[in-house]
Amino acid sequence: QSALTQPASVSGSPGQSITISCTGTSSDVGGYNYVSWYQQHPGKAPKLMIYEVSNRPSGVSNRFSGSKSGNTASLTISGLQAEDEADYYCSSYTSSSTLLFGGGTKLTVL
Amino acid sequence: EVQLVESGGGLVQPGRSLRLSCAASGFTFDDYAMHWVRQAPGKGLEWVSGISWNSGSIGYADSVKGRFTISRDNAKNSLYLQMNSLRAEDTALYYCAKDVRTTVTPVDAFDIWGQGTMVTVSS
Repeated sequence: QSALTQPASVSGSPGQSITISCTGTSSDVGGYNYVSWYQQHPGKAPKLMIYEVSNRPSGVSNRFSGSKSGNTASLTISGLQAEDEADYYCSSYTSSSTLLFGGGTKLTVL
Repeated sequence: EVQLVESGGGLVQPGRSLRLSCAASGFTFDDYAMHWVRQAPGKGLEWVSGISWNSGSIGYADSVKGRFTISRDNAKNSLYLQMNSLRAEDTALYYCAKDVRTTVTPVDAFDIWGQGTMVTVSS
């Protein structure tokens, strides 16, 4: 199974909002509300930012939000801050009872 | 402190075996499904395998099915990954991760991650 499709890179200035897309198929993103988003800083383990499409774990800033429409999920970061610069990965449960990750998006804060 | 600590990685020749371990602490281990996720150098994340709280349900990525075996010992708060017939493409940092659920159907989200153990497959 191919990875979910994410843009390779996105950028924004401090204070702005950015959105990262994650496109799959009806067998994964479109078929289940088990889409998650992870933030990974260089040399660090991933950190869960959003789960089940739009839920935020305790301790994650409300500047991070998730949504889904059809086969595409999105992560929006508002009020961009320097510490948001990182790689972001989406994931989705699949009809094969496996988990698929996106290829990752590098966020640059200008 | 909630913590996952992986061990067992190293340099291994193609075709050989390796067993990874993950020690959990700070949470009720047998209340949650557990997973292995790997990341090749400079590449993205890849789910490898998951196991339900009671080992009753197990899943594998197609890339490792038939070669890797996941297991857990709830009495020891430990997760394992037996890797056989290793290939160069298995070279990666292997993370142990805690699911937010007890089961692997569905595989939901991973809220706790270890720091990873590096596996290098090379002659």
